[in-house]
Amino acid sequence: EAGVAQSPRYKIIEKRQSVAFWCNPISGHATLYWYQQILGQGPKLLIQFQNNGVVDDSQLPKDRFSAERLKGVDSTLKIQPAKLEDSAVYLCASSLMRRWVYEQYFGPGTRLTVT
Amino acid sequence: AQTVTQSQPEMSVQEAETVTLSCTYDTSESDYYLFWYKQPPSRQMILVIRQEAYKQQNATENRFSVNFQKAAKSFSLKISDSQLGDAAMYFCAYRRDSGNTPLVFGKGTRLSVIA
Repeated sequence: EAGVAQSPRYKIIEKRQSVAFWCNPISGHATLYWYQQILGQGPKLLIQFQNNGVVDDSQLPKDRFSAERLKGVDSTLKIQPAKLEDSAVYLCASSLMRRWVYEQYFGPGTRLTVT
Repeated sequence: AQTVTQSQPEMSVQEAETVTLSCTYDTSESDYYLFWYKQPPSRQMILVIRQEAYKQQNATENRFSVNFQKAAKSFSLKISDSQLGDAAMYFCAYRRDSGNTPLVFGKGTRLSVIA
């Protein structure tokens, strides 16, 4: 079974530029998450989708971040314009029930550096 | 809000020895789920072990086991017979139910294994 795919793996941009990240979850996983992992910290949820609907985006800085999941499969996370503090690893995860509990499977992440 | 605290930023262990990573959490829920995730350098996060709060028995997965102390809100991970491949960041995570709610992570503990 293929895992969660993310691209690009690395991105370097200047502040005030725009950037987009792509995620393809495991086939059949209805729930998709985007987490932000700042260096030295644990991942923090940005947004959660159930199929193509948003479940929780309370932690998403909506003035600069946006995300969509068209057709309930792939998802794109965009930052416009980027700030220095957006430098982080952006993790995508999807979940599936296993032994009666939903477990999250993570992609390799996109490491963003804003200069 | 639920919080997860990992008080050991770094730990080291000799190969073949045993090491314990600490985690405490704060919640007002009576039923919840706890997880340990492993994040090797530049590789994706994988689930190591999970514990259901309603279970009194500590979870075990091969060389990995937990010491779950519900009253103390403590959830430590023991790695026995440490191997070089165990070197990674370890994150303790909390989720309030068995469903698709997001994970709340601690800041992580970096484990080094010395040959």
